[in-house]
Amino acid sequence: ELKVEQNPLFLSMQEGKNYTIYCNYSTTSDRLYWYRQDPGKSLESLFVLLSNGAVKQEGRLMASLDTKARLSTLHITAAVHDLSATYFCAVDTMNRDDKIIFGKGTRLHILP
Amino acid sequence: DAGVTQSPTHLIKTRGQHVTLRCSPISGHKSVSWYQQVLGQGPQFIFQYYEKEERGRGNFPDRFSARQFPNYSSELNVNALLLGDSALYLCASSPHTTQYFGPGTRLTVL
Repeated sequence: ELKVEQNPLFLSMQEGKNYTIYCNYSTTSDRLYWYRQDPGKSLESLFVLLSNGAVKQEGRLMASLDTKARLSTLHITAAVHDLSATYFCAVDTMNRDDKIIFGKGTRLHILP
Repeated sequence: DAGVTQSPTHLIKTRGQHVTLRCSPISGHKSVSWYQQVLGQGPQFIFQYYEKEERGRGNFPDRFSARQFPNYSSELNVNALLLGDSALYLCASSPHTTQYFGPGTRLTVL
């Protein structure tokens, strides 16, 4: 069964620094999603990565997918306090049922 | 454009009771999925429905059931509630690949 691992699970960093969140998954998939969740809120879609080598950028966030290594990264450039949230990666099982498997999330706290 | 809507927003029940959660997908989306998110964890897949047919079921007991109506809205039912059913229940609708999540229903079981 597909398993998704994120690391780190907790990250406290200072504003202005760069950092990367890693997402590894255990079986073949060509679709990977990154979501943001603020405390007590629902999930906001950040990126949809649909093929090997896909790279997408929005503001200070950039996501990439390597399907051969079964690895995705979410890179944060020059972090700002507003990016404090929990970030989830989710991998499509590629079954008929649209089922996606989520990682445990990375709780990001950016210190001013 | 209206996003995915869910009702109620919050719900408090006692053990053994039954609950019904409702979801309206984004207009034009025929697929609806349900997820359970326990505090501090990632969401877990419960069900997916497409054109009123169940297409997938996660590893949840038979106390959990769902259905989809002709207008593509959906209900999630949970019988014989347990304390461990306390969670945020998320509904997502999808046109093809990306799933768009609703605001969720926060269920507390006392």
